[in-house]
Parts: sequence; structure tokens; C-alpha cells
Amino acid sequence: IAGITQAPTSQILAAGRRMTLRCTQDMRHNAMYWYRQDLGLGLRLIHYSNTAGTTGKGEVPDGYSVSRANTDDFPLTLASAVPSQTSVYFCASSDSESHNEQFFGPGTRLTVL
Amino acid sequence: GQNIDQPTEMTATEGAIVQINCTYQTSGFNGLFWYQQHAGEAPTFLSYNVLDGLEEKGRFSSFLSRSKGYSYLLLKELQMKDSASYLCAVLDSNYQLIWGAGTKLIIKP
Repeated sequence: IAGITQAPTSQILAAGRRMTLRCTQDMRHNAMYWYRQDLGLGLRLIHYSNTAGTTGKGEVPDGYSVSRANTDDFPLTLASAVPSQTSVYFCASSDSESHNEQFFGPGTRLTVL
Repeated sequence: GQNIDQPTEMTATEGAIVQINCTYQTSGFNGLFWYQQHAGEAPTFLSYNVLDGLEEKGRFSSFLSRSKGYSYLLLKELQMKDSASYLCAVLDSNYQLIWGAGTKLIIKP
């Protein structure tokens, strides 16, 4: 692995289903983030984690949950998907030693029908 | 509230120069970032400014004025591959990035 990987690349999901988006980084960064990006809007922070074992809510956390059991992995779970969660989801990580520059994964395109 | 403003779309000609502006109002300031995002891809880092002035990196330069809450990204000798969205983001007092909606830059031959 080099950098950040996300899975799946894309997914079509029926409303009401549970879904986990996976994110793994191999840069040993302390902080990790989940964003959603919708047309015409900036990246919006869903949840973040400043270090393994801690998580925090971002701007749009409702309907989403995260966990950070170790440094490398930061999964995002939609407990019961709704059509308004159709979006492109980006995972990112950063290290305070690099002025918090964020490195992004390739994204997951999620469609909820 | 926190707010970052940048133009929605700009058009420029191959070989020319373009300046993309960004104004911000945030709770605290710990630096300003510019990212490039090609369609269908992830954002990638371009520049970081935390002190006033101009930072030059090849064809791209970024300027910051903290007193005016203002930054710009200057792209010189434009190439077709520069067609992308350019995202301005500010690191606030909680070290969270606040993102602008991005400026879509269209390069014409």
C-alpha cells in the first residue's frame, strides 16, 4: 500500500441498508478524516480522529458513525442509508509535523436508491 | 460563522496567466492551503501559506494577506492539463480545515 486506499470504489445501495466504507493509510499519520463532496458544495467534514482511540464529529455527522481502533484504519458506517447520502466520500489523513497537510484517498462514489 | 469565498468558474487561454482569488472569515487562522482536483479524482496539495507574502513553486504561486483575509493562486504559462478545480481551505483555531466550494478553471486552446 502506498498512501491511502479506500474501498469500494463505487457502490449502489438500497435505502435502509447498512454500509461500511473502508479507509486504510500506511503513512503512520495521527489524524484521519471523512468528507463528503457534493456538486456545488465544498468538502464537508463528517467525522475525524486526531489519534487512534479518539473520534470527533464534524460539520455533517448525522447518519454516520466511525471508529479508530488503530492508527491505520478509519471505517465510516452508514447505519441505515438514505438517498440524501448519495455523494462522493473522501478519506484523508494528516500529520502535524507537515503543517497538517491532508492527503486524500481516491474516493468512494455512493448512490443510495 | 465561518466562510470561504472563491469564484465558481473561470476561463483562461493556454499559455496565459490566471489568478484565482479566495477570501475567508474563520474562527482563528493556522494557515491556508490550495489544492487541485481534476474531475473524478481526489484533491492534491498545491501550496501552504501561513505568513503574509508570496510563495512561488514553479508555474504556481500563492499569496496571503492575513489582515485582509485574502489569498490568491497564480498560475502561469497555462497548460491544458491545468483544467481542474482549485480548492481554497483554511486551518482554523481547532486545526480543522474549512473548505471553499472550489473554482472550476477551464483552459481553452
